Amino acid sequence: EMQLVESGGGLVQPGGSLRLSCAASGFTFRSYDMHWVRQATGKGLEWVSAIGTAGDTIYPDSVKGRFTISRENAKNSLYLQINSLRAGDTAVYYCVRERQMLESCIGGVCPSGGMDVWGQGTTVTVSS
Amino acid sequence: QSVLTQPPSVSGAPGQRVTISCIGDSSNIGAGYDVHWYQQLPGTAPKLLIYRNNNRPSGVPDRFSGSKSDTSASLAITGLQAEDEADYYCQSYDSSLSRVFGTGTKVTVL
Repeated sequence: EMQLVESGGGLVQPGGSLRLSCAASGFTFRSYDMHWVRQATGKGLEWVSAIGTAGDTIYPDSVKGRFTISRENAKNSLYLQINSLRAGDTAVYYCVRERQMLESCIGGVCPSGGMDVWGQGTTVTVSS
Repeated sequence: QSVLTQPPSVSGAPGQRVTISCIGDSSNIGAGYDVHWYQQLPGTAPKLLIYRNNNRPSGVPDRFSGSKSDTSASLAITGLQAEDEADYYCQSYDSSLSRVFGTGTKVTVL
């Protein structure tokens, strides 16, 4: 069974730092792009980072410079380092796999099949 | 960052058909990027419902269908059932390949 299990959330003071972890199992972790998506209570989904199979990273402007996504393929693990935490970072953070449709690649570019595996989430609360 | 706009809520009686719109612009959907849809049942993580505009993953009932045209996309639910009561999100990309989610729509079964 494909599974993603997040950990590392908790209560942190404003200005603090936190490192979230995600343990993957049931699939070949190194072959997939991975993401972190967050959701504040009662709010919508917000994509906050992505890392490709080659270690390339992308961030939205809203978190660039404070969030760092990384992966350790030997440990089937994904990480998110969050610095200078602020109240607006309070949310459930989901670890997510993105499927590439290898059967539809053109010129080495493969279309995405969507974010097809989600963890249960870990809660980050920023408060004094 | 791009924003995809969805109606905050839609509702329908059991058995009816409802549609959810996802309005983008020339920097995202209108640039030709695919749209995916997710269903989030209360208290659970989101689940992939439709990928690449109109494809259903294995196990998703054919009551769910997606379409895309110009700068927008739509999700249709036919034969609405009580278990379809959930939040629904569209997702696409912008020119920097950042992922962008829609604002979300709550579906209520009357």
